Amino acid sequence: AQKVTQAQTEISVVEKEDVTLDCVYETRDTTYYLFWYKQPPSGELVFLIRRNSFDEQNEISGRYSWNFQKSTSSFNFTITASQVVDSAVYFCALRGTNAGKSTFGDGTTLTVKP
Amino acid sequence: NAGVMQNPRHLVRRRGQEARLRCSPMKGHSHVYWYRQLPEEGLKFMVYLQKENIIDESGMPKERFSAEFPKEGPSILRIQQVVRGDSAAYFCASSPFSSGGQRSEKLFFGSGTQLSVL
Repeated sequence: AQKVTQAQTEISVVEKEDVTLDCVYETRDTTYYLFWYKQPPSGELVFLIRRNSFDEQNEISGRYSWNFQKSTSSFNFTITASQVVDSAVYFCALRGTNAGKSTFGDGTTLTVKP
Repeated sequence: NAGVMQNPRHLVRRRGQEARLRCSPMKGHSHVYWYRQLPEEGLKFMVYLQKENIIDESGMPKERFSAEFPKEGPSILRIQQVVRGDSAAYFCASSPFSSGGQRSEKLFFGSGTQLSVL
C-alpha cells in the first residue's frame, strides 16, 4: 500500500520568508515517482515537479527547491522569498509501478501575507 | 493545444438525481484518471481508464458510481441517486501513456467539477 503524509495542514508566513513544506511517503515499490502539485484558489491543479526514485539529486527552479531524501522517505519542498501569489494548497503525490494510481497527501495550505 | 477540459464547472443536484461529469483529455492523451477531493481533504483516486477500457477502478464506490471513456467523445463519470456525501470537487487528469518500468509521465489536470448536492 502507498501512503503520503503531509503533516502540516496549514502554514502562514509573511512575504519574503522562506517556507518548507514537508512530505513523507511509504511504498513497497522499488521504482516510484514523486510529484508536487499546486492548487491555487481558482481550483485547478498545476504540476510543479516530478522526481523518480533513482534520482536523489536535489533540484532548484527559481525560488522553488526540492530535497529528496530516500533514507528518510521524504520529498520536501522549499519556497525561498515567498510571495503572496504563492498562497495555495500544495499536494505531494506518489506513483508506483501500478501505472494508474497516484496517491496524494491531504495537502498543505500555504498563506503568504503581505 | 487545449488542456484537460471538464464540464460543467459547477453542478447542483438534489438528492436522488443523477450527476454526469464530463472530461475531455488533452489532445493525444488516451489515459484518463478521476479523482475526488472532499472538503478539507486531499485527492483520492477513483478510476483509471483508457479508451473503451477500465484499467483500475479500485477507488470507485461499489454502488451508484460508474465511469466510461468511449472510443469517441469525453470520459463520463456518472453518479446515480446522489446523496449529500457526494458533494465534492471531482478532478479529471490525463496522460499521454501509462507508466511502466522507469517512465512515468506527469498528470495534466482539469479545473475540476464542483458537485453540490442539496
